[in-house]
Amino acid sequence: DQQVKQNSPSLSVQEGRISILNCDYTNSMFDYFLWYKKYPAEGPTFLISISSIKDKNEDGRFTVFLNKSAKHLSLHIVPSQPGDSAVYFCAASAGGADGLTFGKGTHLIIQP
Amino acid sequence: GAVVSQHPSRVICKSGTSVKIECRSLDFQATTMFWYRQFPKQSLMLMATSNEGSKATYEQGVEKDKFLINHASLTLSTLTVTSAHPEDSSFYICSAPKNTGREQYFGPGTRLTVT
Repeated sequence: DQQVKQNSPSLSVQEGRISILNCDYTNSMFDYFLWYKKYPAEGPTFLISISSIKDKNEDGRFTVFLNKSAKHLSLHIVPSQPGDSAVYFCAASAGGADGLTFGKGTHLIIQP
Repeated sequence: GAVVSQHPSRVICKSGTSVKIECRSLDFQATTMFWYRQFPKQSLMLMATSNEGSKATYEQGVEKDKFLINHASLTLSTLTVTSAHPEDSSFYICSAPKNTGREQYFGPGTRLTVT
């Protein structure tokens, strides 16, 4: 049973436009959500996170939105740049000492 | 810069042998570290939680006698894959939370190939 779902395996966006990556979760115990960027054969790089007590968190070009009632979060990247091309993982945590539960990832491709 | 390192980055071993992977926090102490595994085109799956000074806790379906974890110090956790088989070939990644934050910082990963 997959508790964190990223239903789009890939997404292609033109450079300069907005990239929107989506993530859904099923476990109501999750209270902290994170987005990671990953290149092949490398570890994930932390991008941005959000606590369940908030509905938005912004850091530069990256904004994460959380809709608790829908159990849905999204990552917005604007403007998209060629260096943003990578696999993006959504992850969730149910407690401070817990490991993360990851989605399957979305491969973002930024077209020049 | 990197805050978590792993060694080795890549290892090839023969079936039946054991392999040790090290995970170090570079500029902070980590009483807890986590080990994940990623198969090709799959998600990262949490294998176990490494606890300094106590036994590791393993996720359901992960054999604790096969994947030995030792949290030797506040900056070092090791994962030993014992009696490795080809199906253990995977990308193993560790992570650690820095300070009291909920963000986890990941090492660069170790590619294990068992022949």
